[in-house]
Parts: sequence; structure tokens; C-alpha cells
Amino acid sequence: AQTVTQSQPEMSVQEAETVTLSCTYDTSENNYYLFWYKQPPSRQMILVIRQEAYKQQNATENRFSVNFQKAAKSFSLKISDSQLGDTAMYFCAFMGLNSGGSNYKLTFGKGTLLTVNP
Amino acid sequence: DARVTQTPRHKVTEMGQEVTMRCQPILGHNTVFWYRQTMMQGLELLAYFRNRAPLDDSGMPKDRFSAEMPDATLATLKIQPSEPRDSAVYFCASGIEGNTIYFGEGSWLTVV
Repeated sequence: AQTVTQSQPEMSVQEAETVTLSCTYDTSENNYYLFWYKQPPSRQMILVIRQEAYKQQNATENRFSVNFQKAAKSFSLKISDSQLGDTAMYFCAFMGLNSGGSNYKLTFGKGTLLTVNP
Repeated sequence: DARVTQTPRHKVTEMGQEVTMRCQPILGHNTVFWYRQTMMQGLELLAYFRNRAPLDDSGMPKDRFSAEMPDATLATLKIQPSEPRDSAVYFCASGIEGNTIYFGEGSWLTVV
């Protein structure tokens, strides 16, 4: 079974600064995706970024980027130029891609509550 | 803009009552998930379906919860009888196998 660990329950950052959220995971699979989802107070689950395990290049989406270290099973999220609207709970998630498809589901970490201060 | 649609968005009910939550997945998505979010347990997978067939419901309390997919455009999650510990946000999500999973806005359930 896969596990996802987010060791920072809460973090804060000043507006316009950069912050990094940590995530580690454990799996015996070689083929998988990793995700970061954002959940603002409305509770909507919003996809932030996706990383395919077979890709060496780190994924980037505007101000959001990841540092994917496959051997270390580490997947951190960097938010640059933080904005007030980035205040939310952030969840790291794992999805397996075995050939049978039985692991096509998301396993989530406990989340990190990020507060961006003005 | 394709989205997963859930109803009701909010529900307050008395203990012992039946609760039914409905979900319309994104058209063309063949896998539908039900997740529950609580402060204590975080996001838990309750059940999921592929091509309308149940794949895994091991995360769901069998005595009071049931999940069905009567057709490709409707998934239901039923709680009977409801208990205060069932109070949570219930998310439906859908995807095509091997691709990104998209979430609905959630159904906020309060059982008093």
C-alpha cells in the first residue's frame, strides 16, 4: 500500500515571498503520478500541478513548481511570489499506474495549511 | 467547462434519517470515486467504480453506507441510518483511467 506524508501541518509566508511545502511517499511501484491539490476555504479541490514519475524534468505551472526526487521518494511544491489567494490547504497525492488499473485512485497526505500574510 | 456536479451542496439532517448524495461525473470519464473528508481522518477513499462496476468499497462502513452507479451519468452514495459521526464533506470525483482525477465541490453533511 502507498503512503503519503506531509510533515508540515501549517506554514506561513509573507506576500511576494517564496515558500516550499514538503511531501514524501512510499511505494514499490515504478510507474505513477504525483499531484498537488489546493483546497481553499470553499473546500473545492483544485489541481495545482502533476508530475509523471518517468519524467526527469520537474513540472512547472506559472508560479508553482515541484522538486521531484524519485530515488528519495520526495515531491516538494515551491510557490514563488506568494499571493493572498494562495492561502489554502495543500494536499500531496499519489496515483499508481499499474497495468491492471487497480491502483488508479488517489492516496492523500494529511495536508499543509498555508497562510500568506500581507 | 466540464465539471463534476454534486447535490446537495449542504445537508443538515437528524440522526437516524436516510441521506442520499448524488454525483454527475464528467461526460466520458469511466471511473468515479467517493471520498470523505474529516478533520480527524483527512481524505479517505470510500468507494470507486469503473465503467459503472464497483471496484473497491473497502473504505466504506458496510452496515450503513451503500454506493451505486445506476447509469453512466449518475453515482449515488446513501447513508441509512445516519449518525453524528457521519458529519463530513463528501466528494465525488471522476477521471479516465491513467489520467488526472477531477473533484466536485463536495456535499457538506451535518448529522445532528
